[in-house]
Amino acid sequence: DTGVSQDPRHKITKRGQNVTFRCDPISEHNRLYWYRQTLGQGPEFLTYFQNEAQLEKSRLLSDRFSAERPKGSFSTLEIQRTEQGDSAMYLCATLTRATNEKLFFGSGTQLSVL
Amino acid sequence: EDKVVQSPLSLVVHEGDTVTLNCSYEVTNFRSLLWYKQEKKAPTFLFMLTSSGIEKKSGRLSSILDKKELSSILNITATQTGDSAIYLCAAGVHTGNQFYFGTGTSLTVIP
Repeated sequence: DTGVSQDPRHKITKRGQNVTFRCDPISEHNRLYWYRQTLGQGPEFLTYFQNEAQLEKSRLLSDRFSAERPKGSFSTLEIQRTEQGDSAMYLCATLTRATNEKLFFGSGTQLSVL
Repeated sequence: EDKVVQSPLSLVVHEGDTVTLNCSYEVTNFRSLLWYKQEKKAPTFLFMLTSSGIEKKSGRLSSILDKKELSSILNITATQTGDSAIYLCAAGVHTGNQFYFGTGTSLTVIP
């Protein structure tokens, strides 16, 4: 158990719909990352939070994507007007000094856009 | 541009064989090298390496970092079918606390 849970595990949606994913780390995980992974590729960085501050966003994160981490606890990633190209595994990962700076992943949300 | 390259892309071996997976990196402000195992779900952590030449070992798996060659290897001895997975490596950098992942090596172990 990495102490990072994601919800939902799977999401099927129609093109044009909005979707929201949630990541719940345990309280002392102050750094939180969102990655996207497609088949045959490694995880690609999307965005990063230090507590509640969003410190970095990838160029991959178009204006249809938004992420929040209110109060520095759980985080949400929303995709508006989904496109078929958004189909991927969305991974949340956290890092903390307590784990000696190791990056641990949640179980991921598999998104399929029809 | 920061990048991580893994080789081979895929590998098929028989149970009991020993395999060596390679990871090379070209990143600015390198901090750490991480290895993960991924079996149709999220990656699970295997090793983190920060110092050259110091082997990390866990059962039949071991890994070592060579900062001079900007590379790392992951060894698996006496492979089992349960080792079949994608093995990912990632380079962590100080700048922005980023991690750059390779595309992975797909390992298949045949009984």
